[in-house]
Amino acid sequence: SQQGEEDPQALSIQEGENATMNCSYKTSINNLQWYRQNSGRGLVHLILIRSNEREKHSGRLRVTLDTSKKSSSLLITASRAADTASYFCATDRGAGSYQLTFGKGTKLSVIP
Amino acid sequence: DAGVIQSPRHEVTEMGQEVTLRCKPISGHNSLFWYRQTMMRGLELLIYFNNNVPIDDSGMPEDRFSAKMPNASFSTLKIQPSEPRDSAVYFCASSFVPGGTNEKLFFGSGTQLSVL
Repeated sequence: SQQGEEDPQALSIQEGENATMNCSYKTSINNLQWYRQNSGRGLVHLILIRSNEREKHSGRLRVTLDTSKKSSSLLITASRAADTASYFCATDRGAGSYQLTFGKGTKLSVIP
Repeated sequence: DAGVIQSPRHEVTEMGQEVTLRCKPISGHNSLFWYRQTMMRGLELLIYFNNNVPIDDSGMPEDRFSAKMPNASFSTLKIQPSEPRDSAVYFCASSFVPGGTNEKLFFGSGTQLSVL
């Protein structure tokens, strides 16, 4: 079964709006990562948040982590057409874990 | 750095044929992963190498699948014989894993495999 599950599966917004994607997971983690995949391309790492962190920012990205609820959210502010892509959360299985398990992703469409 | 390089980008083959996918990881990375992506199952980890040694191949679906990493700069994933259900995008990813904890993966552009 998937360790990380993103919600919603698809999201369509207007340029300039904010986009929020959620990720839930099942087991304890050491860190959680978010990746972006443009159509026909490989995944690109966006941001990593550790289990002892609650919030992290990188440019227009804001990630939160609630380990008590085993959930994370990715907020993209002031979205652009170039943000159109699929977004995946990836979780490990605790400290020393090499394996990253990916969810099925949220497909974001930003309409110009 | 050129990033993770995979070849070929596209492969179309007939059922029963042997398929070999190739990957060159980023220089200096000590871990290499092969993933398969389909609409139904998403991204699945097939096999993980650390310092050229296969550590976990529990994700390899069948004996028809095999992977090698003869040196730090090259890995292959082979399917023999191929079947239509093997059609998917196969990604190679590499990382530097200090102390065994995975921090960040760098993905190649993938090989789109179609088995007819």
